[in-house]
Amino acid sequence: GENVEQHPSTLSVQEGDSAVIKCTYSDSASNYFPWYKQELGKRPQLIIDIRSNVGEKKDQRIAVTLNKTAKHFSLHITETQPEDSAVYFCAPREGGTSYGKLTFGQGTILTVHP
Amino acid sequence: NAGVMQNPRHLVRRRGQEARLRCSPMKGHSHVYWYRQLPEEGLKFMVYLQKENIIDESGMPKERFSAEFPKEGPSILRIQQVVRGDSAAYFCASSPLVAGTDTQYFGPGTRLTVL
Repeated sequence: GENVEQHPSTLSVQEGDSAVIKCTYSDSASNYFPWYKQELGKRPQLIIDIRSNVGEKKDQRIAVTLNKTAKHFSLHITETQPEDSAVYFCAPREGGTSYGKLTFGQGTILTVHP
Repeated sequence: NAGVMQNPRHLVRRRGQEARLRCSPMKGHSHVYWYRQLPEEGLKFMVYLQKENIIDESGMPKERFSAEFPKEGPSILRIQQVVRGDSAAYFCASSPLVAGTDTQYFGPGTRLTVL
């Protein structure tokens, strides 16, 4: 099965700074790479995803970059705001199929200080 | 378009009882996934179903746990003879049938507490 590691486990930044979270995976056939945000007691919410035919995707303050050779992808948040404080999970899908289970990382607790 | 629905939101059971968790996917979605989240941990895959079929149950414990997604009605995750270690948040997610639009959307979860 897929082995997923996420770093750092905690990240504390000042409002307006950038935050970067990195995720490494083991299955070279993985083809779908989402990032989820989970606030305390809430459901995971997709914030951005990327497929293996592109290297970077951006949506306003959030971007994801993918390095398939090195088997890692990263979440970049610019101009952080206090409401960005949450737990962030990477969740690559293994196996190269169009459907199937996601394997979640351990999570990164992001705290944005005003 | 209503999102993924789960009920109950909170469930309390005593050891040895049965727990039934329900998940109604988003309209037009025919793929359902169940994940379990222990406190302060990531989500762990349990089972993947399509209508009337279990596609992947590699994450399901071998005993006491079962899942179904009937032709009509919600998907059900059933836990028999619950133990304290089953206390967790159980999330279901759904995705559409069309390949390339395979994002999994999560429901609000059912928080199971076993006394």
